[in-house]
Amino acid sequence: NAGVTQTPKFQVLKTGQSMTLQCAQDMNHEYMSWYRQDPGMGLRLIHYSVGAGITDQGEVPNGYNVSRSTTEDFPLRLLSAAPSQTSVYFCASSYSARGQGYNSPLHFGNGTRLTVT
Amino acid sequence: DQQVKQNSPSLSVQEGRISILNCDYTNSMFDYFLWYKKYPAEGPTFLISISSIKDKNEDGRFTVFLNKSAKHLSLHIVPSQPGDSAVYFCAALDLIQGAQKLVFGQGTRLTINP
Repeated sequence: NAGVTQTPKFQVLKTGQSMTLQCAQDMNHEYMSWYRQDPGMGLRLIHYSVGAGITDQGEVPNGYNVSRSTTEDFPLRLLSAAPSQTSVYFCASSYSARGQGYNSPLHFGNGTRLTVT
Repeated sequence: DQQVKQNSPSLSVQEGRISILNCDYTNSMFDYFLWYKKYPAEGPTFLISISSIKDKNEDGRFTVFLNKSAKHLSLHIVPSQPGDSAVYFCAALDLIQGAQKLVFGQGTRLTINP
């Protein structure tokens, strides 16, 4: 099992460019989410999905789009990159989304380090 | 507004001694808490959790204590080992419309000195 796979590992963008961060999991997990990690801020939830075809906003959704067309994949799209989006992005999944998640902790990928100049 | 706070950005402990990492929260509706450990260039990994119906949970060298009245939890590592050097995140489980969301603290960097 590969677990949660994120690509690319590193990316440099110019302001205004768009890109997609890829996330795939092979554990048949129902729940997937995107977090960003910034110094002194911990991890903050961007978007999440409780199943294929269902997505919702987290704490810091502005400037990002997501879709969930399959159980396995949950890409994060930056529409027009800004320097404030320089961060480390983590995708995470868990077996259950609905409270049964008490015994279903999040599994994280190894992150994508994004720099916007 | 930070609902989960880890007020110590860093902690240095001698190998073999006890490491105590602290976490405070403000939302009294939180009823499940988790600790994650993160090494450089890797994603966080789940370490230990505790439900609000308990005040203590042990797993080997790791023990988490919960004081609901003080809205405070702590992670104890005994004895501390060099491999424990990492960033530790405290998190609270927030259930909104049936979907779980983890609210994380800022993290504490633990360094174990030989």
